[in-house]
Amino acid sequence: DTGVSQNPRHKITKRGQNVTFRCDPISEHNRLYWYRQTLGQGPEFLTYFQNEAQLEKSRLLSDRFSAERPKGSFSTLEIQRTEQGDSAMYLCASSPAVGEQFFGPGTRLTVL
Amino acid sequence: AQSVTQLDSQVPVFEEAPVELRCNYSSSVSVYLFWYVQYPNQGLQLLLKYLSGSTLVKGINGFEAEFNKSQTSFHLRKPSVHISDTAEYFCAVSDLTGAQKLVFGQGTRLTINP
Repeated sequence: DTGVSQNPRHKITKRGQNVTFRCDPISEHNRLYWYRQTLGQGPEFLTYFQNEAQLEKSRLLSDRFSAERPKGSFSTLEIQRTEQGDSAMYLCASSPAVGEQFFGPGTRLTVL
Repeated sequence: AQSVTQLDSQVPVFEEAPVELRCNYSSSVSVYLFWYVQYPNQGLQLLLKYLSGSTLVKGINGFEAEFNKSQTSFHLRKPSVHISDTAEYFCAVSDLTGAQKLVFGQGTRLTINP
């Protein structure tokens, strides 16, 4: 399968713990995006990478959130000191250039 | 800043009936337009996109949409729906340049009844 993959698919954690999610984009895609989707809402943009450079971050991305894309391949999204309000589906998407973004299946985070 | 409004949060339809899901957007610049579908506990799948050219766009699974610049709308239509079309549908816009991040509407839940 050559689509976008995300791991883990589900994560349950206790408030205050750190979590890290991984996204493997489609191999030839140089653009990578993270979005967050809460129940009953559309996805909201978090951050954007072009190759290894993080070029844009949303104001939604507090200082507890950090994302990396070493060597322009896979990407990780880390949340430190999780809060119950962080519970959401975290979606990764990749794109070759102009137009369509291809989405992964998402990581559902539950903070207890 | 851009925004997208999906005018119906839920649309119930009988099987084999036509359906229209409405989407209006606001932007001070030209945009690309998209419709995505999301099945339960899955990521988003592209149904169709408008980048340029003909304002009537055909997508997968028999869906089509028409871009109306004067009304800033991009409504999604299907002439005859199936049970398998039951899902959440999202309209989205992006800039033509830069990050081209997607700005999504709130979604429309399409429920097909037998």
